[in-house]
Amino acid sequence: RKEVEQDPGPFNVPEGATVAFNCTYSNSASQSFFWYRQDCRKEPKLLMSVYSSGNEDGRFTAQLNRASQYISLLIRDSKLSDSATYLCVVWGPGGGNKLTFGTGTQLKVEL
Amino acid sequence: DGGITQSPKYLFRKEGQNVTLSCEQNLNHDAMYWYRQDPGQGLRLIYYSQIVNDFQKGDIAEGYSVSREKKESFPLTVTSAQKNPTAFYLCASSLRQDSYNEQFFGPGTRLTVL
Repeated sequence: RKEVEQDPGPFNVPEGATVAFNCTYSNSASQSFFWYRQDCRKEPKLLMSVYSSGNEDGRFTAQLNRASQYISLLIRDSKLSDSATYLCVVWGPGGGNKLTFGTGTQLKVEL
Repeated sequence: DGGITQSPKYLFRKEGQNVTLSCEQNLNHDAMYWYRQDPGQGLRLIYYSQIVNDFQKGDIAEGYSVSREKKESFPLTVTSAQKNPTAFYLCASSLRQDSYNEQFFGPGTRLTVL
């Protein structure tokens, strides 16, 4: 089983739609959680951290469920510019202080 | 502007040759990292360094070597011992190596071994 698992997609949605991605992690000792965004053939960039109580940044909402070991990202009112791959990232699973990356979920927002 | 630079953007090498990828940061970060990204796989950690003159192996260090002689520089050498070197290589840095400090990535180097 992968340490961090995501549905690779692609998710094709019309502009203005709401879309949600989920991610599961295998190690209950994982400490911190993040969503990164990666545009095609570019470097990843931090989108937002994920806090236990859930957090929101504009159109983006992230939630963490430690009991079920999953993380979610909700994007409301999708824009064409949201088209990218969204990487679920976990700090500290399996011992050792490091980030473990999921393979990413591809989002395509269409007119 | 502060940031991380990697050079070159594209690199082509013949099989059996060693090649060194450059990574420089002017963010005054203590920690630096090298990752490899292959299609359909998540980023995998090759080496990391928490401080000058110190570095540790990541998950896939075989066939790679690094040095950290200066705070701002963390070059990666891909040796001929690396069996599948063709990949997208990303360098990153953070203020310190912990869960609270964001890792910033450079633009990456695409290495193709012919």
